[in-house]
Amino acid sequence: AQKITQTQPGMFVQEKEAVTLDCTYDTSDPSYGLFWYKQPSSGEMIFLIYQGSYDQQNATEGRYSLNFQKARKSANLVISASQLGDSAMYFCAMRAGGGSYIPTFGRGTSLIVHP
Amino acid sequence: GAVVSQHPSWVICKSGTSVKIECRSLDFQATTMFWYRQFPKQSLMLMATSNEGSKATYEQGVEKDKFLINHASLTLSTLTVTSAHPEDSSFYICSAPGTGVTYEQYFGPGTRLTVT
Repeated sequence: AQKITQTQPGMFVQEKEAVTLDCTYDTSDPSYGLFWYKQPSSGEMIFLIYQGSYDQQNATEGRYSLNFQKARKSANLVISASQLGDSAMYFCAMRAGGGSYIPTFGRGTSLIVHP
Repeated sequence: GAVVSQHPSWVICKSGTSVKIECRSLDFQATTMFWYRQFPKQSLMLMATSNEGSKATYEQGVEKDKFLINHASLTLSTLTVTSAHPEDSSFYICSAPGTGVTYEQYFGPGTRLTVT
């Protein structure tokens, strides 16, 4: 079985500063994918970044980067230069290998960016 | 590309009535779609997997007769909440997996259901 753990229910960050949202995972499958999604108050789920288990380098997408530490089974999201519009819920998710489409979601972290 | 729509975006219904929510993939075909339920400040809970041309697969604890799912075509899945009660009030989101190597989920914008 797969499990995603997000231990930070809420985080605060000052505008323009960087913030790290934690995510640890557990799976026995050697092939898996890790995702981060953003959910603003409107409710839509916005895909941010993806990391494959065999990817050698950490994924980056603009201001988002994923700090992938395979041995520790962690996949933390780093948001650089925070903006007020980054205030939202952030969900870490994992898809196990074997052709499974179904992701497992963490509980989420609520991020508030202060001006 | 890879847009998923949901209709309606919000609905208020009376207790005992049924409500149908549509999920459409607009620019790609989806043989599989997922239906989630989300309570305020909580994570997404997978309710069922909708399969085109076959019966849906429900997660443990989800009432099949209450949450009817029909995957009518390669671009449309519907969720019908039958005999709705106030405790069915929630945010319902559908998604479809992409066909790329990541199998990224493309989410609909969600439907907020309020049962009075």
